[in-house]
Amino acid sequence: AQSVAQPEDQVNVAEGNPLTVKCTYSVSGNPYLFWYVQYPNRGLQFLLKYITGDNLVKGSYGFEAEFNKSQTSFHLKKPSALVSDSALYFCAVREPHSSASKIIFGSGTRLSIRP
Amino acid sequence: EAQVTQNPRYLITVTGKKLTVTCSQNMNHEYMSWYRQDPGLGLRQIYYSMNVEVTDKGDVPEGYKVSRKEKRNFPLILESPSPNQTSLYFCASSLSSGNYGYTFGSGTRLTVV
Repeated sequence: AQSVAQPEDQVNVAEGNPLTVKCTYSVSGNPYLFWYVQYPNRGLQFLLKYITGDNLVKGSYGFEAEFNKSQTSFHLKKPSALVSDSALYFCAVREPHSSASKIIFGSGTRLSIRP
Repeated sequence: EAQVTQNPRYLITVTGKKLTVTCSQNMNHEYMSWYRQDPGLGLRQIYYSMNVEVTDKGDVPEGYKVSRKEKRNFPLILESPSPNQTSLYFCASSLSSGNYGYTFGSGTRLTVV
C-alpha cells in the first residue's frame, strides 16, 4: 500500500536562509508526488507536482522539490526563506494507474521562519 | 473564479443532531473527496466520488454519508454526530486523469458537544 512520511513535525529557519522540508514515500511503481501548503484558516493550496521528467520540479512562491528515486524522497526546498513562508506543508503521493481520488497525505510539517 | 465552496465555515452542534456540510465545485471535475484534518494525523480521506452516482469509502468512513446526485455537488452528511467527529473538514475536487492535484475548499470547522 502506498504511504508517505514527513519525519519532522516542525522546521525552524531564519529568514534568508535556505529551507528543506523532508518527505519520503512508498509506492508500487513510479509515483505521482505533490506538495501543498496550508496557511492559517485556509484550505490546502497546490505548490508543485512531480509526474515524470526532470527530477527537480519548480513550483509556486519560489519553491522547488527534488525527486530522488533511489532514496524514495521528494524534499521541498527554497534557497532563501521568507517570513511569509511560515505555514503547514503537506506532501502527498498517488500510485500511477490508480484512481485520482487515492491521494495519500503525510501528517504535515509546520514551517516557522523567524525574522 | 475556479473554486471549491464549502458551507458552513464554522459549525457547533450537539450530539445526535443530524447535519450536512455542503460542497460545490465549478470546474466540471469528475473526482470529489472529503477529508478530515486532525492534529498529528494529517488529512484522512472519508469518502470519495469518481463521478455522478459513484461513491466509495475512504479510510475513515464510519459515521458519515455522502451523495453525488449532480457533478458539481458532494455533500457530507453526519446522521448522528458524536464528539469524536469534532474536526476540520475539507472538500476537494480533481480532474479524472489524476495527473493534477486536488483543488481544496476553505474548510469547515465542526465542533460536536
